[in-house]
Amino acid sequence: EPEVTQTPSHQVTQMGQEVILRCVPISNHLYFYWYRQILGQKVEFLVSFYNNEISEKSEIFDDQFSVERPDGSNFTLKIRSTKLEDSAMYFCASSAQDMLNEKLFFGSGTQLSVL
Amino acid sequence: AQRVTQPEKLLSVFKGAPVELKCNYSYSGSPELFWYVQYSRQRLQLLLRHISRESIKGFTADLNKGETSFHLKKPFAQEEDSAMYYCALSAGVTGGGNKLTFGTGTQLKVEL
Repeated sequence: EPEVTQTPSHQVTQMGQEVILRCVPISNHLYFYWYRQILGQKVEFLVSFYNNEISEKSEIFDDQFSVERPDGSNFTLKIRSTKLEDSAMYFCASSAQDMLNEKLFFGSGTQLSVL
Repeated sequence: AQRVTQPEKLLSVFKGAPVELKCNYSYSGSPELFWYVQYSRQRLQLLLRHISRESIKGFTADLNKGETSFHLKKPFAQEEDSAMYYCALSAGVTGGGNKLTFGTGTQLKVEL
């Protein structure tokens, strides 16, 4: 079965630094998502992306966050100036069509630790 | 606002015993409900969705709109069922960009 791949698996950064989390969605998928899970808490939706633009975002996804699909294969999440509370597992996901008809495939996650 | 509640953090059952993982939701419209599973050291993956009315790995879940529940059931637990189970809700808006609201998850432990 095809997989969503995420790199790196673990990222450690200093508070205030910029980080870019990378994802390669499944090749024929059109819808892309970022979710995060703070340790001990629920998986939370951050943003969805379709047709080269954000289609929906949560209140967590403030001006410090941005997403990009720079080259038609990668899908990145950038945090401009990291805060301690950004420490979490970040999951990328993709689907071929909208959620009702197609499975959402998740990557294995990037554990971000902000020190 | 959408909310998904999984009241049990941990559910421990013996092999061969019935399993029921509880999920209740709060949403004013017509939701789509899902169960996701995460086995140890593996990625989050879709187990089943109510729209398909399917049975996967012996698990079933029925949407009860009156009780706003979507409990996951299996008549006979197997050791390989041990995993973290997440109930999730989608607002069901079509056209791309649907988002999932997850519950906090229930860790199922099947003991021999």
